[in-house]
Amino acid sequence: EAQVTQNPRYLITVTGKKLTVTCSQNMNHEYMSWYRQDPGLGLRQIYYSMNVEVTDKGDVPEGYKVSRKEKRNFPLILESPSPNQTSLYFCASDPGPGLAGGGEQYFGPGTRLTVT
Amino acid sequence: GEDVEQSLFLSVREGDSSVINCTYTDSSSTYLYWYKQEPGAGLQLLTYIFSNMDMKQDQRLTVLLNKKDKHLSLRIADTQTGDSAIYFCAESSIYNQGGKLIFGQGTELSVKP
Repeated sequence: EAQVTQNPRYLITVTGKKLTVTCSQNMNHEYMSWYRQDPGLGLRQIYYSMNVEVTDKGDVPEGYKVSRKEKRNFPLILESPSPNQTSLYFCASDPGPGLAGGGEQYFGPGTRLTVT
Repeated sequence: GEDVEQSLFLSVREGDSSVINCTYTDSSSTYLYWYKQEPGAGLQLLTYIFSNMDMKQDQRLTVLLNKKDKHLSLRIADTQTGDSAIYFCAESSIYNQGGKLIFGQGTELSVKP
């Protein structure tokens, strides 16, 4: 089954304690992204990757890091989390340009992060 | 930067039609999407429309695109209580790096019995 998985689904942590949210896709997609969802703001892109070892900032990258060492995995790293990073996070994958089917992005189930 | 706007709330009676509206600013939009998010759940792609189409129908869902006015709407016929959710409009463009989607704020649809 084609899917994007994220772990953990829920996380409560304290300010300054480094954490990693994992994301994995089994569709051999080239593109992967991280979004955060906040009430009244919709989803905003944090970082994206267009291939292995190719990553770039999205609209709200401050306080986050990513890596893409393998095509299937795209972890999101918060080196020193702060309360304003409390949010719902989604990982997404996309087959990339030039493919039929509407350019559909596949979203993971979401990770609800609370930083106290 | 490019922007997508939606009204935040819509309330309808069960059995009525719901119309959720969205406006966008990107003239180079390629695809426009509607996603549904039920409480506590992830994003479910409902439907999408290519930018050279005016309308797309899929069972109870009808998407209308007015490219001149940059206006997109989602009509849900015979709305049911199970349709209560947040609906997001999103757009993509060949100029959006990495397949980036630009989302609206989401419209919370409340269906009253």
